[in-house]
Amino acid sequence: QSALTQPASVSGSPGQSITISCTGTSSDVGSSILVSWYQQHPDKAPKLLIYEGSKRPSGVSNRFSVSKSGNTASLTISGLQAEDEADYYCCSFATSLVFGTGTKVTVL
Amino acid sequence: EVQLVESGGGLVQPGGSLRLSCAASGFTLSSYWMHWVRQAPGKGLVWVSRINSDGSSTSYADSVKGRFTISRDNAKNTLFLQMNSLRAEDTAVYYCARGHIMDVWGQGTTVTVSS
Repeated sequence: QSALTQPASVSGSPGQSITISCTGTSSDVGSSILVSWYQQHPDKAPKLLIYEGSKRPSGVSNRFSVSKSGNTASLTISGLQAEDEADYYCCSFATSLVFGTGTKVTVL
Repeated sequence: EVQLVESGGGLVQPGGSLRLSCAASGFTLSSYWMHWVRQAPGKGLVWVSRINSDGSSTSYADSVKGRFTISRDNAKNTLFLQMNSLRAEDTAVYYCARGHIMDVWGQGTTVTVSS
């Protein structure tokens, strides 16, 4: 199964909002509520940000929000902070689990 | 503290084998499905395999099917990944992750396949 498509990089200034897209097909993102998002800082393990479409684990900031339209899911980070600089991955379930290609977020 | 700790990585020649372990603490492993995910140097996350809570059902990525075997010992709170016929492209950090939502991750163990 092919990786979901994400932009390679997104940047923004502190306080701004940025959006990361995650495009799949009608067989994965388009038909699944099980889209999740992960944040990974350099040389660290991934951290769960969003699961089952829009749920946030305890301790995850409400600055992270999601939306979905058709075969594309999106993660929005509001009030961008220096600590948000990291790689972000979407993940969906179809016949198997598939991750997105990853997006590097840079805080200018 | 809920924790996953991987071990067993190392340098192996092409065609060789390794067995990775993932020790769980702070929770009951038998209550969760578990996954292995890998990340090649400088690359993205790739799902490798998953196993259901009692070990009766497994699934693999096409790239490892027939070469890797996931298993678990719930009595010892440990997850395993037996990797055979290793190839250079299997070089990666291997993470274990908890549950269908992968809400807890280990720190990873590095596997290098090279002659």
